[in-house]
Amino acid sequence: GQQVMQIPQYQHVQEGEDFTTYCNSSTTLSNIQWYKQRPGGHPVFLIQLVKSGEVKKQKRLTFQFGEAKKNSSLHITATQTTDVGTYFCAGGAYSGAGSYQLTFGKGTKLSVIP
Amino acid sequence: DSGVTQTPKHLITATGQRVTLRCSPRSGDLSVYWYQQSLDQGLQFLIHYYNGEERAKGNILERFSAQQFPDLHSELNLSSLELGDSALYFCASSPNRGASSYNEQFFGPGTRLTVL
Repeated sequence: GQQVMQIPQYQHVQEGEDFTTYCNSSTTLSNIQWYKQRPGGHPVFLIQLVKSGEVKKQKRLTFQFGEAKKNSSLHITATQTTDVGTYFCAGGAYSGAGSYQLTFGKGTKLSVIP
Repeated sequence: DSGVTQTPKHLITATGQRVTLRCSPRSGDLSVYWYQQSLDQGLQFLIHYYNGEERAKGNILERFSAQQFPDLHSELNLSSLELGDSALYFCASSPNRGASSYNEQFFGPGTRLTVL
């Protein structure tokens, strides 16, 4: 079945440093979504990428979808303590039976040292 | 607040027991998804219902079942519980743009299940 690998599992950064998490799929994706889960909270949708090579920005966050639609990245510039949480990518793809499924990576837990 | 509600918030039970988790989607959302989150497994997709019909199944055990009712709320039934079933169970709903797959999901606060 479809697998979505996400690295690193943990990342500790000093406040003000940049942070990047990477997502790789075993199969070509139809789309990729990114979610953030604060400690003790629930996942919250951040963004969706659909087109090959697509790049989207949200303030200090930059999201990329690879040309082959098998990988994606989230980059945060100048991290702040409010960025703390676990970032999940979720790859969408159709199975051989034609049903669509969103598969989540295991997430990257970001800690920011003030 | 995502608009998705889940009850109960916490559930403590014993091995071998059966429990029911309840989810109410956001107003107007026809799709409901169930996920299991444990410490080392991330978010595992269990099942997806759209307007009362099962749409997709993930890694859902045979001891688990779900349904979506005419009022669109959903229940996840877990039976013959084992210690390893202890986890956070999330429900999510997505906007009604047909049965389109590319909809963002809005997660509820989760139900924390502890099996002793």
